[in-house]
Amino acid sequence: EPEVTQTPSHQVTQMGQEVILHCVPISNHLYFYWYRQILGQKVEFLVSFYNNEISEKSEIFDDQFSVERPDGSNFTLKIRSTKLEDSAMYFCASSAVSGANVLTFGAGSRLTVL
Amino acid sequence: GDSVTQMEGPVTLSEEAFLTINCTYTATGYPSLFWYVQYPGEGLQLLLKATKADDKGSNKGFEATYRKETTSFHLEKGSVQVSDSAVYFCALSEGNRDDKIIFGKGTRLHILP
Repeated sequence: EPEVTQTPSHQVTQMGQEVILHCVPISNHLYFYWYRQILGQKVEFLVSFYNNEISEKSEIFDDQFSVERPDGSNFTLKIRSTKLEDSAMYFCASSAVSGANVLTFGAGSRLTVL
Repeated sequence: GDSVTQMEGPVTLSEEAFLTINCTYTATGYPSLFWYVQYPGEGLQLLLKATKADDKGSNKGFEATYRKETTSFHLEKGSVQVSDSAVYFCALSEGNRDDKIIFGKGTRLHILP
């Protein structure tokens, strides 16, 4: 069964460092998403991406965050200068069409900022 | 804004026990409701959904009914198995944007053999 692949599974970084989280969505999917879950908190929507541009972003997704689809297969989330409060599990998702009932999520990348 | 509240975990049950995980929601419109499951080391998977009041979603022996009068979407299973051990997330889609999902905190379920 096709799956969304995320790397790394766990990354530890120092505050102020740049981090790039990688996602390989399902190959024929057109819509891409990032969500995050701070430990003990809810899974929160960060951003959606379609047709090579951001279609929606949340208040969390400030100027420190960016997304890119550099080569037609990867979908990356970059945090330019990490803060302690960026420590969370980050989930990538993709879908062939727009709709919550067809999102396929990856296993997540755990980011720990020290 | 729209929100989802689900029971705190972890929930520990013996195999073949009856399971209920409570979920209530707050929404201004008419959201679709979902249960997602995350098995160890895997991604979030859609378990079941309901798109309107009184709809019942079901999958793998799990059921949940969209109750508008009580704003609830409780997850139930009559006889759980060890393989059901996972984290369960109640969620809704916000307004007309059904690709923007609002999740609960998740409930970890442990099933003992």
